[in-house]
Amino acid sequence: EVQLVESGGDLVQPGRSLRLSCAASGFTFDDYPMHWVRQAPGKGLEWVSGISWNGVNTAYADSVKGRFTISRDNSKNSLYLQMNSLRVEDTALYYCAKRDGAYDIWGQGTMVTVSS
Amino acid sequence: EIVLTQSPGTLSLSPGERATLSCRASQSVSSSYLAWYQQKPGQAPRLLMYGASSRATGIPDRFSGSGSGTEFTLTITRLEPEDFAVYYCQQYGRSPFTFGQGTKLEI
Repeated sequence: EVQLVESGGDLVQPGRSLRLSCAASGFTFDDYPMHWVRQAPGKGLEWVSGISWNGVNTAYADSVKGRFTISRDNSKNSLYLQMNSLRVEDTALYYCAKRDGAYDIWGQGTMVTVSS
Repeated sequence: EIVLTQSPGTLSLSPGERATLSCRASQSVSSSYLAWYQQKPGQAPRLLMYGASSRATGIPDRFSGSGSGTEFTLTITRLEPEDFAVYYCQQYGRSPFTFGQGTKLEI
């Protein structure tokens, strides 16, 4: 079964850091770019970041550029999102998604809450 | 950044009716790299359409997509009870890969 499972979400104070993980199974992980998309409570979808199949190319939304870092470990079939200098407005459910053109596979998400 | 504007914000219809959802882009979407997703409460989004008009695996043929350039449409013929959800369009031709704000399809 093709599956993505996110983990690492938590309640953190503003200014702190958090690292999200996404474990992939059921497909050849290193064949595909991978992305992160977030959804604030009661809001729409917001693209956050993407990484090429080999990790060489990355891209970020302006709202997270300079604070978030996407990476992957193809030997572990895993995707990561290092989030530094977290802000209240980063509060959201974070999804990882497999990109085969569009996002054909999504995880169930991990919740990040930034609050003092 | 390509801004996607979806209309209407909310669409109220009944089972068996036809739904037409619109997605307008602020700039031309290259090679029709336009996708539609369905999201139900408490669930992750699900890919419905890609390349503007191609159905994703397992999507019933009552869903169809059309359009090019800056104007795109998702049509659902003969609404089923399970079709009532929020629908998002997304362009994936140019970073940042932006989403529309969503259309809520309600009974």
